[in-house]
Amino acid sequence: NAGVTQTPKFQVLKTGQSMTLQCAQDMNHEYMSWYRQDPGMGLRLIHYSVGAGITDQGEVPNGYNVSRSTTEDFPLRLLSAAPSQTSVYFCASSPTGGRTDTQYFGPGTRLTVL
Amino acid sequence: AQSVAQPEDQVNVAEGNPLTVKCTYSVSGNPYLFWYVQYPNRGLQFLLKYITGDNLVKGSYGFEAEFNKSQTSFHLKKPSALVSDSALYFCAVRDMNAGNMLTFGGGTRLMVKP
Repeated sequence: NAGVTQTPKFQVLKTGQSMTLQCAQDMNHEYMSWYRQDPGMGLRLIHYSVGAGITDQGEVPNGYNVSRSTTEDFPLRLLSAAPSQTSVYFCASSPTGGRTDTQYFGPGTRLTVL
Repeated sequence: AQSVAQPEDQVNVAEGNPLTVKCTYSVSGNPYLFWYVQYPNRGLQFLLKYITGDNLVKGSYGFEAEFNKSQTSFHLKKPSALVSDSALYFCAVRDMNAGNMLTFGGGTRLMVKP
């Protein structure tokens, strides 16, 4: 059971480039989400999904797209990278999204935009 | 809107001494509160959660947290700190307005010195 996996671990982009951060979970969890971590600001929610085919915006969605075609995968796309998107990105999943559910986090992707 | 505050950026404690990492929250309705720990270059690991019931919640690695409704606080505690407890600690609250995802505090760095 690998849990939540993320690729790549590190990435450097130039301004304007696009890329996709990959996230997968093998726990058959319905809920998945993407957060970004910036110093002093904790983690902020970018997008989330309550099941395959359903996504919604979080606190900081601008500049990011997501889709959820399968239960297992929840990729995050940067359409045109900007230096303000330099951050550490975490994917998380939880079984049903219930109020008492625990979220499980991946190891993170450290992204630098030059 | 739901929010979490961690008033201390850093907490320093000597090994063997008790430690407290503070968290206060603001929610509408019943609070569902969580503590996570992040070791260097790692993802977030779940420590404990408060759902309902006893105000003292016990979690992983000897940590516990005290829920205080009148003070809207959920402080993390440990009777005897270890050097290996040095890490970044996040308090979070379930956000009913965002698909039950988590709203995080800014994080507190715990430094335990030998």
